[in-house]
Amino acid sequence: QKEVEQNSGPLSVPEGAIASLNCTYSDRVSQSFFWYRQYSGKSPELIMSIYSNGDKEDGRFTAQLNKASQYVSLLIRDSQPSDSATYLCAVIRGSTLGRLYFGRGTQLTVWP
Amino acid sequence: DAGVTQSPTHLIKTRGQQVTLRCSPISGHKSVSWYQQVLGQGPQFIFQYYEKEERGRGNFPDRFSARQFPNYSSELNVNALLLGDSALYLCASSPDGQRNQPQHFGDGTRLSIL
Repeated sequence: QKEVEQNSGPLSVPEGAIASLNCTYSDRVSQSFFWYRQYSGKSPELIMSIYSNGDKEDGRFTAQLNKASQYVSLLIRDSQPSDSATYLCAVIRGSTLGRLYFGRGTQLTVWP
Repeated sequence: DAGVTQSPTHLIKTRGQQVTLRCSPISGHKSVSWYQQVLGQGPQFIFQYYEKEERGRGNFPDRFSARQFPNYSSELNVNALLLGDSALYLCASSPDGQRNQPQHFGDGTRLSIL
């Protein structure tokens, strides 16, 4: 079982819709969770971090964490074509200080 | 404020050669991590350094080595290059590499092995 798993997609949504991206992780004692956005040919850009159960909102982005289910998600409201990118879920496990484990990423396309 | 800077941006090498990649962290950040990203995959952890000491190492062969300098910049060295080393090499920095600190990435070095 991989440490972090994401639906590879691609996910396609119309402009203005809600895009929902999901991620599961294997290490029950993982403590820190991050979402990165990566445009084609570019490096990952941090968009959200979450550390405790529940929801965290930042503009059009909402991260949701459920440690009991080992599940973290990212919702993008009012999706825009500029949101089209690959979204990477990253986790810091309980036993490894500062080492990010990434999923393969979910490719999102927002069509006008 | 400048973000994480990496050099060079692109590099073409042949099999068997050696390469050195460089990284300067965000000002005030003391921890630097290196990741390798091959096409279609998420980044894979190679090394983490904090205060010039290696804090962690991923599942990479001994051909990969790194170091951190007193000004917290870092170099990644790869010897005896293989075709499979072709990838985007990413450097990330954080204040002191703790679990609750997001890591911010540079633009990466794209390494192509012929």
